[in-house]
Order: sequence, then structure tokens, then C-alpha cells
Amino acid sequence: ELKVEQNPLFLSMQEEKNYTIYCNYSTTSDRLYWYRQDPGKSLESLFVLLSNGAVKQEGRLMASLDTKARLSTLHITAAVHDLSATYFCAVDFKAAGNKLTFGGGTRVLVKP
Amino acid sequence: GAVVSQHPSWVICKSGTSVKIECRSLDFQATTMFWYRQFPKQSLMLMATSNEGSKATYEQGVEKDKFLINHASLTLSTLTVTSAHPEDSSFYICSARDRRGNQETQYFGPGTRLLVL
Repeated sequence: ELKVEQNPLFLSMQEEKNYTIYCNYSTTSDRLYWYRQDPGKSLESLFVLLSNGAVKQEGRLMASLDTKARLSTLHITAAVHDLSATYFCAVDFKAAGNKLTFGGGTRVLVKP
Repeated sequence: GAVVSQHPSWVICKSGTSVKIECRSLDFQATTMFWYRQFPKQSLMLMATSNEGSKATYEQGVEKDKFLINHASLTLSTLTVTSAHPEDSSFYICSARDRRGNQETQYFGPGTRLLVL
């Protein structure tokens, strides 16, 4: 079965502290995506990770991929309020004909 | 970056009517588009894959006669919710696969919020 699991489902953050969101998936993948969704809005693409050991960074967000462990992490450095949103990972499974399978999402709330 | 548009952005309709939602890729051609629905505070659920020039592929449990998909051109896919009922109220999001360059990715439309009364 093709599964993508994110944890935690909810993350209350304090400003200026660091946090990590985890994304585990069940089988071989071509690529992994991270998206951000603000309330009432659609998805904004953050990162595409293509290969084992891939690391990408944009501002306070850094994503990495370990294909052997079938694990991706999204690390938030020195959280700020405008990072409050829901973050989704999505996996492109070859076995699914390259359709995206989404994790359950992590709701992030950064408190002052 | 690539842009995907959806129209309308929101719609309110009476039970029993049909609603058509358009999804366009604005600056690239998309042979494949995807339709998702999202309930409040939940993840996205893939409904169907829309293929230009051929029939859509529906996910298990999605009624193809209720959710009609037409991928008329390389830049346009439409989703028609037929005989809508209140339980069809949801946020519908399309995405289009951009295969240009060496980094294929999917871009998402802004979504269409449907409320069936």
C-alpha cells in the first residue's frame, strides 16, 4: 500500500526556536515535494527533492531526503509568525503511475 | 514560475444543479492534470487524473458519472459536478504537471470552493 505519513499533525512553535516536521513513506519514490497551504488558499510549492541526500534551503526552511530510510524532513530555523501555515509533503510513487500521494499535513502555529 | 488558474474561485449552487470548474495552465502545456478535493482541516484527496485527448482515470471510490472530466486541450481541463448535493461541498483543487526543463514538478491552481445548498 502506498502511504505517506507526516508527524506531528500539529506543531505549536515559539518564535526564534527550531523545529522539524517528518515525512515517512512506504515504498520507492521518484521524488518528494513539500508544499505550504495558508487557510482558505491553495498549495504553494516549497521544495522538490529528487535524490538520496538531497538538501534544499530557502530562507528559514530546509528540506532533506533520505531515500534509504524513506524519510524526508522539513526543518524550520528560528521560527517566525509568518511561517504559520499547514505544510504537506507529497510523494510521487512510480507504482502509482507518478500520481502524488499526500501526507496528512502538519498545522504549524507560531506564537509570539 | 508556472501558473495554473481555476475558475470560478467559489460557487454556491442549489442541490440538483451541475457546476463546471475550469483549470488552465497559463504558460505551459500540460498533457496531464489532476483533480483533488479537500475537506476542512484534511489533506488533499486525488479524485482523478485528466489526460489530454483521452478518458480520465478515476481513483477508487470516485464516481465518474458524477464528476465528469474533460481535458479538451493541452491547457484546459474541466471538472463538472453533476446533480450536486450538499455532501459535494468541498474545496476542489487542480494541478498540472510541468515537464519543461530537467525538474518536473506539479503546480496547483488556487482552488474552487463549492457550497451546495
